[in-house]
Amino acid sequence: GAGVSQSPSNKVTEKGKDVELRCDPISGHTALYWYRQSLGQGLEFLIYFQGNSAPDKSGLPSDRFSAERTGGSVSTLTIQRTQQEDSAVYLCASSFRGGGTEAFFGQGTRLTVV
Amino acid sequence: GNSVTQMEGPVTLSEEAFLTINCTYTATGYPSLFWYVQYPGEGLQLLLKATKADDKGSNKGFEATYRKETTSFHLEKGSVQVSDSAVYFCALTVSSGNTPLVFGKGTRLSVIA
Repeated sequence: GAGVSQSPSNKVTEKGKDVELRCDPISGHTALYWYRQSLGQGLEFLIYFQGNSAPDKSGLPSDRFSAERTGGSVSTLTIQRTQQEDSAVYLCASSFRGGGTEAFFGQGTRLTVV
Repeated sequence: GNSVTQMEGPVTLSEEAFLTINCTYTATGYPSLFWYVQYPGEGLQLLLKATKADDKGSNKGFEATYRKETTSFHLEKGSVQVSDSAVYFCALTVSSGNTPLVFGKGTRLSVIA
């Protein structure tokens, strides 16, 4: 596609439920990032995929968070047993080859846990 | 490790004032430097970039020069407009190794008429 696409754009879920957030990167981009932005806050790094390398999961806040990237393209971020503190905007970005190149961001998924 | 430090906000300026947002970095390896902007209600978009020392990135009247000697990439604009009100993020990535894009905490700019 022309840009990074994220779905859904908004998600309201009940505390304790699992959610899946999807990211469709720009075609041909080998690097894919997930970030979290809480209201009025900066960007919190979650996870980074680069080509066939093992993903950098160092930013995942707990074992309730996981992500996968299938076929080097689409990525899914899963949050299990959601908590209210998980409420935030989840941003996905992709870049042509990771290090040294600019990243292009999607519009984000606004997650609200009630 | 790799990190970015940018000035705390919020910054409030009158229209046509001069803007500087400071950004300094630490990096293992040779970084590329970026400024991203997030307008109200919108996603992040690249504002400008510089990939080697002494390079100047520029866009929409904004400029930033990659200063290796001071490890800085300060954002400047000579005359801000109300439409420049946004959050600005300094970021870096390193071409060697498998490292993610690292962001500063962001600086909120409000320009008043």
